[in-house]
Amino acid sequence: EAEVAQSPRYKITEKSQAVAFWCDPISGHATLYWYRQILGQGPELLVQFQDESVVDDSQLPKDRFSAERLKGVDSTLKIQPAELGDSAMYLCASSLSLAGFIEQFFGPGTRLTVL
Amino acid sequence: SQKIEQNSEALNIQEGKTATLTCNYTNYSPAYLQWYRQDPGRGPVFLLLIRENEKEKRKERLKVTFDTTLKQSLFHITASQPADSATYLCALDAGNQFYFGTGTSLTVIP
Repeated sequence: EAEVAQSPRYKITEKSQAVAFWCDPISGHATLYWYRQILGQGPELLVQFQDESVVDDSQLPKDRFSAERLKGVDSTLKIQPAELGDSAMYLCASSLSLAGFIEQFFGPGTRLTVL
Repeated sequence: SQKIEQNSEALNIQEGKTATLTCNYTNYSPAYLQWYRQDPGRGPVFLLLIRENEKEKRKERLKVTFDTTLKQSLFHITASQPADSATYLCALDAGNQFYFGTGTSLTVIP
């Protein structure tokens, strides 16, 4: 069964360093999402792509976070510089399209710890 | 902004009983609402979707209701099993944004 791949699974970094996360969605899925999930809370949408275009990034802290999906397939989320408050699980999800009623398939996530 | 509230406390029930989880929302009228299951350290897994014009949806031991007047969805697991223990998240669309609730932790006691 096709799955969303993410790497790394775990990342420990010191504050002020740069980190990057990678996501490979299910083949054929046009829509890709990045979420941040703090322990004990629900996922919070950071950015969503339709193919290579950003559809919504209103919740992305643009002073330090950036996301790209250059060829409309895999995607990278970067944080520079990392802050202590960025410690969280970063989840990537994909769906067939942006149209409503479409379920999202999530990857295993990247657990980030900022020291 | 959209606000979604789920049972704030963890829910513990005896095996075989029916678990009922609540999702309340404000400030928007979503076209649909979804329920996901999340196990510790893993990404959420889609369970059910219910549209605004549907009152009830069933899938095996799962049942979801959607009351757009009350702005509430109820999620039921009948004949619960220890394997149902997990966190359950509701999620809805609000225009071109997607919001998750904080989740309810369910423990089914053998």
